Amino acid sequence: QKEVEQDPGPLSVPEGAIVSLNCTYSNSAFQYFMWYRQYSRKGPELLMYTYSSGNKEDGRFTAQVDKSSKYISLFIRDSQPSDSATYLCATTSGNTPLVFGKGTRLSVIA
Amino acid sequence: NAGVTQTPKFRVLKTGQSMTLLCAQDMNHEYMYWYRQDPGMGLRLIHYSVGEGTTAKGEVPDGYNVSRLKKQNFLLGLESAAPSQTSVYFCASSYLPWTGGTGELFFGEGSRLTVL
Repeated sequence: QKEVEQDPGPLSVPEGAIVSLNCTYSNSAFQYFMWYRQYSRKGPELLMYTYSSGNKEDGRFTAQVDKSSKYISLFIRDSQPSDSATYLCATTSGNTPLVFGKGTRLSVIA
Repeated sequence: NAGVTQTPKFRVLKTGQSMTLLCAQDMNHEYMYWYRQDPGMGLRLIHYSVGEGTTAKGEVPDGYNVSRLKKQNFLLGLESAAPSQTSVYFCASSYLPWTGGTGELFFGEGSRLTVL
């Protein structure tokens, strides 16, 4: 079992929809959680960072971590065509390199 | 700001040829990383460095070598390329290790390598 599982999609939604992206992980030692966004033919860039359980909000984006179920979520409100990208979850225990999910490709249709 | 620069951006090799990918960062970061990204496999860490003169193996190090002779540069070498090494290679750097601050990695734009 890979340490981080992420549905690769693709996911296609209409503009204005609420998008939910999810990952599960297997290592209970993971306590730092990130979401990276990757536009086509570009490198990933950090979108959200969360430590331990809880929610973090930044504009239209909300990152949520449930350590009891080992579940990581990213919600995008009022999605825009400019949100079309691949979203990768990543996590670490703090003593080991980041482990990335496979990424979910999102398309927001105008 | 240049950030992380990778050269070359594209390369086609024949099986058995060797090549070196160069990564340069101008942010004075201590930590540098080489990843490969393949369809359906996500980002996998090849090698990384925690400072000038240091290197360490990641998840998929076989067939690759690295060197960090200068703080700003991190080289990835393929001594005898194989078709299985066809991939997009990303270099990244960070000021702090994975947990410091935001744990943010800064990525280059990628180097697309095809091995025939």
